[in-house]
Amino acid sequence: QLQLQESGPGLVKPSETLSLTCSVSGGSISSRTSYWGWIRQPPGKGLEWIGSIYYSGSTYYNPSLKSRVTISVDTSKNQFSLKLSSVTAADTAVYYCASPAVAGNLHFDHWGQGTLVTVSS
Amino acid sequence: QSALTQPASVSGSPGQSITISCTGTSSDVGSYNLVSWYQQHPGKAPKLIIYEGSKRPSGVSNRFSGSKSGNTASLTISGLQAEDEADYYCCSYTSSNTWVFGGGTKLTVL
Repeated sequence: QLQLQESGPGLVKPSETLSLTCSVSGGSISSRTSYWGWIRQPPGKGLEWIGSIYYSGSTYYNPSLKSRVTISVDTSKNQFSLKLSSVTAADTAVYYCASPAVAGNLHFDHWGQGTLVTVSS
Repeated sequence: QSALTQPASVSGSPGQSITISCTGTSSDVGSYNLVSWYQQHPGKAPKLIIYEGSKRPSGVSNRFSGSKSGNTASLTISGLQAEDEADYYCCSYTSSNTWVFGGGTKLTVL
């Protein structure tokens, strides 16, 4: 059973870069032909897809965030990461990493517990 | 890309059935049969309840069903139970190799 766990700072200053890591256990990122995704949820609001990375390293981003987002994968650590630059208060949200259970599927079976990131000085 | 359109709220009494709609475009919902639905209870991570339009993951009650017609997908919950009270989100893979979520629907069990 795949398990995902987000980690990173819970507080980021405005204009700085938000950095989060998703650690994957129960399976190898490099051996699964899967899309690994980041999704966020501002307090009291809905879900927003941020972007996804294919196991090969190809990336796909939400057009509204594309200029500020970088997603990368570290197969040696079985992790994938999110960087969001020039953050503002509007980027305050619970950030989730997610993936399909079956390689190649295009939905999100497995989710991390989520981590709240607050943007404030 | 614009968020898929869902009603903000729906309600029903125990035992009744409700349907939540999810309207997109020919570039997302209408393009493929790749709509998924997620249930989210307060303070919890979303849980997949329907994928590829109408398939249920193992362990999900058969009271949950999904369908699609044109650019609109629907989630139906039959035999409403108190535990079904939650937020529900649709999500679609798009022709641009991206994903888009709906705005979410709050289900109240009266």
